[in-house]
Amino acid sequence: SQQGEEDPQALSIQEGENATMNCSYKTSINNLQWYRQNSGRGLVHLILIRSNEREKHSGRLRVTLDTSKKSSSLLITASRAADTASYFCATVPYSGAGSYQLTFGKGTKLSVIP
Amino acid sequence: EPEVTQTPSHQVTQMGQEVILRCVPISNHLYFYWYRQILGQKVEFLVSFYNNEISEKSEIFDDQFSVERPDGSNFTLKIRSTKLEDSAMYFCASRVLTSGQETQYFGPGTRLLVL
Repeated sequence: SQQGEEDPQALSIQEGENATMNCSYKTSINNLQWYRQNSGRGLVHLILIRSNEREKHSGRLRVTLDTSKKSSSLLITASRAADTASYFCATVPYSGAGSYQLTFGKGTKLSVIP
Repeated sequence: EPEVTQTPSHQVTQMGQEVILRCVPISNHLYFYWYRQILGQKVEFLVSFYNNEISEKSEIFDDQFSVERPDGSNFTLKIRSTKLEDSAMYFCASRVLTSGQETQYFGPGTRLLVL
């Protein structure tokens, strides 16, 4: 089974519009994180939401988490051309101990057209 | 701002050769990770390392792989005999130990090409 599946796979919007990306997962989680990756580059951590949280904001980012539906969404408001990147959700499994390794989805490729 | 660094940024090697990928985690971090991303695919967990031993590893991390913290700053991933399918971007990550601080900070990656 796949953990952390994002949709859409690709999203193209005009600058200034909002971008919404969704992520679904299958197993119980400790937390869910969103990362950004510019083409061929490293992963930049954007935001972490815990399993007991429903919504979190950071600047132009808004993340929601619905543990009953095992889904999360990332909203980027007032998008800019510089937001063009791939966005990944990553889950940390629920466990009493462990190394908190991340399980990544396939990502959403966002293109913001100036 | 402190960051995770990785060297080299690119490595080309012949099949069957050994490669060592190097990482310098953030200095006060105690948990270290290696992930890989085959071109166009998901980022996959390989191994986690804490207190000088492997904490967890995935099915990908077979006997051809090993990790080491040879000194107080470096964290290395060795692939003993590379295969074509080992071609990927390899990311190192680190985090603090503190409960509630699970954010992992990633390095820029090493792009490995096995010919």
